[in-house]
Amino acid sequence: QVQLVQSGAEVKKPGSSVKVSCRASGGTFSRNIINWVRQAPGQGLEWMGGIIPFFGTTNYAQKFRGRVTISADESTTTAYMEVSSLRFEDTAVYYCARERQERATVYAPIEFDDWGQGTLVTVSS
Amino acid sequence: DVVMTQSPLSLPVTLGQPASISCRSSQSLVYSDGNIYLSWFHQRPGQPPRRLIYKVSNRDSGVPDRFSGSGSGTDFTLKISRVEAEDVGVYYCMQGTHWPSGYTFGQGTKLEIK
Repeated sequence: QVQLVQSGAEVKKPGSSVKVSCRASGGTFSRNIINWVRQAPGQGLEWMGGIIPFFGTTNYAQKFRGRVTISADESTTTAYMEVSSLRFEDTAVYYCARERQERATVYAPIEFDDWGQGTLVTVSS
Repeated sequence: DVVMTQSPLSLPVTLGQPASISCRSSQSLVYSDGNIYLSWFHQRPGQPPRRLIYKVSNRDSGVPDRFSGSGSGTDFTLKISRVEAEDVGVYYCMQGTHWPSGYTFGQGTKLEIK
């Protein structure tokens, strides 16, 4: 059974950056797509992007291109999601979600099979 | 972008009674491979979403058989045959068919016990 364990809560100032981690244990990693989804307080779910660790191939939602960087370290089976130039409206819980099926491309419909516990990022001055 | 519209947004249900949630997409969700990438998730307060249904009608492992999904094209439904206390929370539909423009979720439907 795959477990996704995310890093702890963060408080950041506007204009700074935050990097959230998601470590996968149990099961494969390198060819399983990891997605990132965020949820603002009291709001719905918003897909941000995804990565296949083996190829390093990423796919981003248009809204986040240029400000969000998703990466992965196969040696530690950990995926990362960094948001730069933080704004107050980036305050949210950030989730990683993994697809169980191994793939060779992010450019296909992906399933969101397993989820991390979430990381609260608060942007406050 | 594909817009997913759920209804109702609030759903009070008596224990043991059925419940139904509708999800409509602004475009057909039939993908070029013939599959429909429409999933349903359940989220309890303070918890991550948990997927219940994938590809319209396939129940995830461990999901009670009182949950069922159906639909085609642009109209989809999640049904709970007999609501139990543990079913409270928010339900989201999500499309993956139109992935080039992003994976999109419905607004969520909050199920509560009357």
